[in-house]
Amino acid sequence: QQQVKQSPQSLIVQKGGISIINCAYENTAFDYFPWYQQFPGKGPALLIAIRPDVSEKKEGRFTISFNKSAKQFSLHIMDSQPGDSATYFCAASKQPGNQFYFGTGTSLTVIP
Amino acid sequence: DAGVIQSPRHEVTEMGQEVTLRCKPISGHNSLFWYRQTMMRGLELLIYFNNNVPIDDSGMPEDRFSAKMPNASFSTLKIQPSEPRDSAVYFCASRPTGDEQYFGPGTRLTVT
Repeated sequence: QQQVKQSPQSLIVQKGGISIINCAYENTAFDYFPWYQQFPGKGPALLIAIRPDVSEKKEGRFTISFNKSAKQFSLHIMDSQPGDSATYFCAASKQPGNQFYFGTGTSLTVIP
Repeated sequence: DAGVIQSPRHEVTEMGQEVTLRCKPISGHNSLFWYRQTMMRGLELLIYFNNNVPIDDSGMPEDRFSAKMPNASFSTLKIQPSEPRDSAVYFCASRPTGDEQYFGPGTRLTVT
């Protein structure tokens, strides 16, 4: 059973546009929500993360929006660049153990 | 810091052979995770260790898979005997106290 559901599976955006990837979860015990970025042939790397006590977190062009009541969170990439082309994974974790439950990934292509 | 080190980076083997994947976590990290990534199933947690002790191996697909962590700087994932359906990219990740996991570059396993 998929603990974290991610959409869309793939996304094509023009350079300069906004990329939006959505995730939803069911377990209200989750207390940490990271987004990982993966380039071909590489391991996933942490991009940005949020905890449920805030509704938004911004780091540069990347923003997480978090809706606790709807149990949804999303990644927004502003001014998308070709270098952002990668696969993005959302995840959720809870105490104890903090094991990650990953979404199925979104392949983002930014067209020049 | 060299990051998480995995070896080999690529492994091609024949069905029925034993395969051993190796991981050196980042020094000082006290948790280690093994993941498998496939197109069909995405990133799946196989097993994780805290302070060298296996905590949750419920993701290990079957008895053909085993993992060990004899010390804080080394872990192995063994498949015996290997099958074509084991073909995937296997990632090791380590974590200090806290939430972020640091992934290695992965081992691409092909079983023919």
